Amino acid sequence: DQQVKQNSPSLSVQEGRISILNCDYTNSMFDYFLWYKKYPAEGPTFLISISSIKDKNEDGRFTVFLNKSAKHLSLHIVPSQPGDSAVYFCAASPVGSSASKIIFGSGTRLSIRP
Amino acid sequence: GAVVSQHPSRVICKSGTSVKIECRSLDFQATTMFWYRQFPKQSLMLMATSNEGSKATYEQGVEKDKFLINHASLTLSTLTVTSAHPEDSSFYICSAGRQAGVEQFFGPGTRLTVL
Repeated sequence: DQQVKQNSPSLSVQEGRISILNCDYTNSMFDYFLWYKKYPAEGPTFLISISSIKDKNEDGRFTVFLNKSAKHLSLHIVPSQPGDSAVYFCAASPVGSSASKIIFGSGTRLSIRP
Repeated sequence: GAVVSQHPSRVICKSGTSVKIECRSLDFQATTMFWYRQFPKQSLMLMATSNEGSKATYEQGVEKDKFLINHASLTLSTLTVTSAHPEDSSFYICSAGRQAGVEQFFGPGTRLTVL
């Protein structure tokens, strides 16, 4: 039973355009959401997060949108750069105030083409 | 800040032997550490959660006698794969969390190959 779902295993975007990665969740107890980026044979790197009390969080080229009613979040990367090619994991946590178990999605492999 | 290291980065062992993997938080105190494994082209699967000074909490389906976890200090957790078999070959990743904040900071991972 996947509580965090990334339905697109891969995405190809042209350099300079916007990359949109999507994520759905089923557990309404999640109140903190995170995106991680992972290169092969390396550990994931934290990218950006959002609390359930917000619907948008922006950090440079990265923006995360949260739609609680739809239990959906998305990560926008604009403009996309070659170094953005990686696997992106959406993750959710039921606790918003301390280090807690994080549930990961299955990941989306983003490829930025020239 | 928030750097997590893992050692070794890569290990090859014979079937039946035990392997210890170390996870260290280098510049912060980690009240909680997590151990994951990742199969090729799959997501990270949480194996267990360990809090400093107490027993680890294992996820369903993870054998606690096979995957021994020790979190003796606020900067070090170890995972020992006992009597390793080829099916234990995987990429093992640890992460650490600070007391304040939900973010987990991941180590670079350890590639275990059991022959």
